Amino acid sequence: QITLKESGPALVRPTQTVTLTCTFSGFSLRNSGEGVGWIRQSPGKALEWLALIYWDDDRRYSPSLESRLTITKDTSKNHVVLTMTNLDPVDSGTYFCAQRVLMPNGLSIYPHWGPGTLVTVSS
Amino acid sequence: DIQMTQSPFSVSASVGDRVTITCRASQGVSNWLAWYQQKPGKAPKLLIYEASTLQSGVPSRFSGSGSGTDFTLTISSLQPEDFATYICQQANTFPFTFGPGTKVDIK
Repeated sequence: QITLKESGPALVRPTQTVTLTCTFSGFSLRNSGEGVGWIRQSPGKALEWLALIYWDDDRRYSPSLESRLTITKDTSKNHVVLTMTNLDPVDSGTYFCAQRVLMPNGLSIYPHWGPGTLVTVSS
Repeated sequence: DIQMTQSPFSVSASVGDRVTITCRASQGVSNWLAWYQQKPGKAPKLLIYEASTLQSGVPSRFSGSGSGTDFTLTISSLQPEDFATYICQQANTFPFTFGPGTKVDIK
């Protein structure tokens, strides 16, 4: 059974840095093809893809947020960590992590998601 | 980034109704399009990937079609548990952008 769960601070002050952790089980980032992504959902806005890390440590970032994001993995702990700097109230929302599954034809699908963690940016 | 749009914004329907939702990409995404169902306070649930392939465990009343820039999600006979928001996502080019969602509520 594959599970993912996000954790991190619920309240962050503007300009601060937030560190979010995705703890997963049922798969390993040591295995070829695996990956974990971070997606956020701000109130009244569409889901937004933030970052993705692959088993081989290749990383992808949303171009609009790349300067503020860092994604890392700890395969021994089954953790993926997302760090976002210089937070603003518009960064408030629910942050999800999701498992990437690589299909035989090269398509990536995201069938397993964590429940999300709510982050509020406010002074 | 590839922009995704959906129509309608919302639809009111009754149990047993056929519901069709449209998704359009600002540029071609081949058939690398997924559909998700999201209920309030929950994570999105993958329904369909590769435009028309049903994810394991998803009822056959859900179907998808399309290629390139225009896609459709159809629910053939709406069930009470289907009242939710439906969201498309392109998986062709990172960042894998999402549509704004279509809310299906009870008439």
